[in-house]
Amino acid sequence: GESVGLHLPTLSVQEGDNSIINCAYSNSASDYFIWYKQESGKGPQFIIDIRSNMDKRQGQRVTVLLNKTVKHLSLQIAATQPGDSAVYFCAESNPNAGGTSYGKLTFGQGTILTVHP
Amino acid sequence: EAGVAQSPRYKIIEKRQSVAFWCNPISGHATLYWYQQILGQGPKLLIQFQNNGVVDDSQLPKDRFSAERLKGVDSTLKIQPAKLEDSAVYLCASSLGLQWGESYEQYFGPGTRLTVT
Repeated sequence: GESVGLHLPTLSVQEGDNSIINCAYSNSASDYFIWYKQESGKGPQFIIDIRSNMDKRQGQRVTVLLNKTVKHLSLQIAATQPGDSAVYFCAESNPNAGGTSYGKLTFGQGTILTVHP
Repeated sequence: EAGVAQSPRYKIIEKRQSVAFWCNPISGHATLYWYQQILGQGPKLLIQFQNNGVVDDSQLPKDRFSAERLKGVDSTLKIQPAKLEDSAVYLCASSLGLQWGESYEQYFGPGTRLTVT
């Protein structure tokens, strides 16, 4: 992922709206992708993952879409709530790479989501 | 289930001083990771352990950073001497998996916020 210092992309939504957070990943060999939520003062928290043999996966109120052609990942949050306000990171990995690459996650830049009541 | 524990939560030191961080992973998790998260960026992997062996330390600045995981459980990360650019949050994470197909999810601790003045 690219780093741009303090200038994280931001998304502001009203409570109850649907949110879409986008991520462009860098390595075409990556075949496992994860979305993390990070609240202020806390470590990243797993939200949902998807493997490259899928293009969509749904969880509770969240959906991840994967477009390998353009190396794009998105996270959709339905009926967004104030408690969803956080920084959201996508991460990519290639678990089959073996050796020193096994388990290695590369995080993207992050998007700040603010939900207004 | 208890989460990943880290201490201290906050540390302020002067440049050229040394500092150590401690991590206790989730019980039974074989893999342990240390990440550096600079303000406004995603976490960057510093070192990955599998039990008490190092799997990947390619992004660890070895002239000043060191880490160990004695007995394959707790781990310490040390910086000596610290530089201003080391100011960041240091995150520890653990995961269960050793083999492809086992649980791959990484669980993060709350992090240690280091300020170097």
